[in-house]
Amino acid sequence: AQTVTQSQPEMSVQEAETVTLSCTYDTSESDYYLFWYKQPPSRQMILVIRQEAYKQQNATENRFSVNFQKAAKSFSLKISDSQLGDAAMYFCAYRRGGAGTASKLTFGTGTRLQVTL
Amino acid sequence: DTAVSQTPKYLVTQMGNDKSIKCEQNLGHDTMYWYKQDSKKFLKIMFSYNNKELIINETVPNRFSPKSPDKAHLNLHINSLELGDSAVYFCASSQTGLNQPQHFGDGTRLSIL
Repeated sequence: AQTVTQSQPEMSVQEAETVTLSCTYDTSESDYYLFWYKQPPSRQMILVIRQEAYKQQNATENRFSVNFQKAAKSFSLKISDSQLGDAAMYFCAYRRGGAGTASKLTFGTGTRLQVTL
Repeated sequence: DTAVSQTPKYLVTQMGNDKSIKCEQNLGHDTMYWYKQDSKKFLKIMFSYNNKELIINETVPNRFSPKSPDKAHLNLHINSLELGDSAVYFCASSQTGLNQPQHFGDGTRLSIL
């Protein structure tokens, strides 16, 4: 079974600084997808960024980027120029690939990010 | 607005009651899901339907019964509610495809007294 581990229950960053959230996963599959979701206090689950395992290039979405190390099974999220609105729980998630595969997400336990002035 | 919408947002009820949570998506997706988020914020898949067919059923007590009348709706009915059922339940949807992300509803907080 696939597992996703987020070893940092809480992180803190000052406004305008950069922070990196860690995620590792365990799988025997070669075809899969990785996601970061953000859950602010409003409880919504918001997709931040996604990465296809077959792509070597790291995904980037504005201030959010990932460091995808397939051999190490590591998928960290870097937030640059942190803003107060980035304060939230961040969940790393894994999904198996392959046509016809039931596409459930397996989530990590989350990292609570605080942004301070 | 295009979205995944769940009702109700909050549900407070007593042990032993039966309750339902409704979910609708107007994104044209063909797959829908129910996830449970416990008090420690851990999210876990419960069920998934693809074109009204159950494709994932993750060791959930049979007091939980999903129903998908059409591919835009996935409801969750819970019989004989127990204290441990207190959680936030999220509905999500996605389109079948290799990298299509799941879009989540705002969640339903279920509190059992």
